[in-house]
Amino acid sequence: DAKTTQPNSMESNEEEPVHLPCNHSTISGTDYIHWYRQLPSQGPEYVIHGLTSNVNNRMASLAIAEDRKSSTLILHRATLRDAAVYYCILGLTSGTYKYIFGTGTRLKVLA
Amino acid sequence: EAQVTQNPRYLITVTGKKLTVTCSQNMNHEYMSWYRQDPGLGLRQIYYSMNVEVTDKGDVPEGYKVSRKEKRNFPLILESPSPNQTSLYFCASSSTLRDRGNSPLHFGNGTRLTVT
Repeated sequence: DAKTTQPNSMESNEEEPVHLPCNHSTISGTDYIHWYRQLPSQGPEYVIHGLTSNVNNRMASLAIAEDRKSSTLILHRATLRDAAVYYCILGLTSGTYKYIFGTGTRLKVLA
Repeated sequence: EAQVTQNPRYLITVTGKKLTVTCSQNMNHEYMSWYRQDPGLGLRQIYYSMNVEVTDKGDVPEGYKVSRKEKRNFPLILESPSPNQTSLYFCASSSTLRDRGNSPLHFGNGTRLTVT
C-alpha cells in the first residue's frame, strides 16, 4: 500500500530556509505529491503539490526526486507563523479515490 | 469566501446517543470526505463521496454513516457512538474537474468529539 514517511519533528531558526523531507518509495507512476500544513486548532491547509517537476508558489517550493520516491518541501525563509505540522500526502490516481496521509513533521521555528 | 464549514466545533455526548456532525462547502465541489485524526495515527479516511448520492467507505468506516443528498452537504452520522470514536474529525472537499489526485483538498476547522 502507498504510504509516506516523514521525520517526527524538525527545528529551524527564523529567517533561515527549511527543507522538510518525505519518503514515498511505494508511489505509483501517476500519483500526485501534496503538502499540507496544520496550525494549532485548525484543519490542514494546502501548501503545494506536483507530479514530476519541481513546483514553486508563493508559500513554498516542492522538489521532487527524479525517481519520485522522495520529495522535499522548501520554505525559503521560515517565520514564527510557519510553526506547524507539515503533512506529505499522496493523491492516488487509481483504485479508491483517496489521499494517503503520513503522520507529519512538527516544525518548530526558533526566534 | 470559499470555505468548508463544520458544526459543531466541540461535542460531548454519551455512549449510544445518536449524533450528526454537519459539513457544508460553498465551492461546488464534487468530492467530499470525512477523516478522523488521532494522536500518532495521523488522518484516516472514514467515508468519501464522489457526487450526489455516490458514497463509499474509506479506511475506518465502522460505526459511521454518511449521506450526500445535496452537492454542498455531507453529514457524518454516528448512530450509536462509543468511547473509541472520541477523536478530532475533519471534513474536506475538492474539485474533480482535474485528474484524480490532482486537486487540492479544502478542510474544515474540525469537530472535537468526546464520547463518555
